[in-house]
Amino acid sequence: EAQVTQNPRYLITVTGKKLTVTCSQNMNHEYMSWYRQDPGLGLRQIYYSMNVEVTDKGDVPEGYKVSRKEKRNFPLILESPSPNQTSLYFCASRLNGQAGANVLTFGAGSRLTVL
Amino acid sequence: GNSVTQMEGPVTLSEEAFLTINCTYTATGYPSLFWYVQYPGEGLQLLLKATKADDKGSNKGFEATYRKETTSFHLEKGSVQVSDSAVYFCALSDLGTSYDKVIFGPGTSLSVIP
Repeated sequence: EAQVTQNPRYLITVTGKKLTVTCSQNMNHEYMSWYRQDPGLGLRQIYYSMNVEVTDKGDVPEGYKVSRKEKRNFPLILESPSPNQTSLYFCASRLNGQAGANVLTFGAGSRLTVL
Repeated sequence: GNSVTQMEGPVTLSEEAFLTINCTYTATGYPSLFWYVQYPGEGLQLLLKATKADDKGSNKGFEATYRKETTSFHLEKGSVQVSDSAVYFCALSDLGTSYDKVIFGPGTSLSVIP
């Protein structure tokens, strides 16, 4: 089944304790992206990657890091989480260019709480 | 910059009622427009899209028409079901970026009661 898989789905952590949210897709998509969803703000893009070894900042990159060493994986790293990073996180992917037609495939989400 | 505005929710309807969720956008050029739906506990999934003015996207009984003159892409369904309870996001592709960035509205929560 074609899908984007995120882990963990739920996580409660404390301020300053490094964590990684993994994202993996099995559709051979070039483009991957991370979003956070907050009430009243919709989805805001954190980082994106057009292909392996190519990453760029989105609208709200502060406090986050990403890497794209393999095409299928795009982990989101919080080096020193803070309470304002409590949110629902989504990973998404698509093909590049016209083939992708901007239609994103989303993971099921990771709900992170930072105390 | 480009942006998407949606009607504030939550919206509560009785089963078989008519649904309209308003969406307006600000964009340069001719972006593609989308509606994504998020069912409880799941990620977003594409509901329908339209790529040029006057196009109508449709899926699962939902429809939306790309109206350039009013910069709108309102979502409609003639008879909602309990299973339509979800959060609905209007979105556009930002042609001003090098990688076709998708910009989402804030989402509208819909609850359908029996």
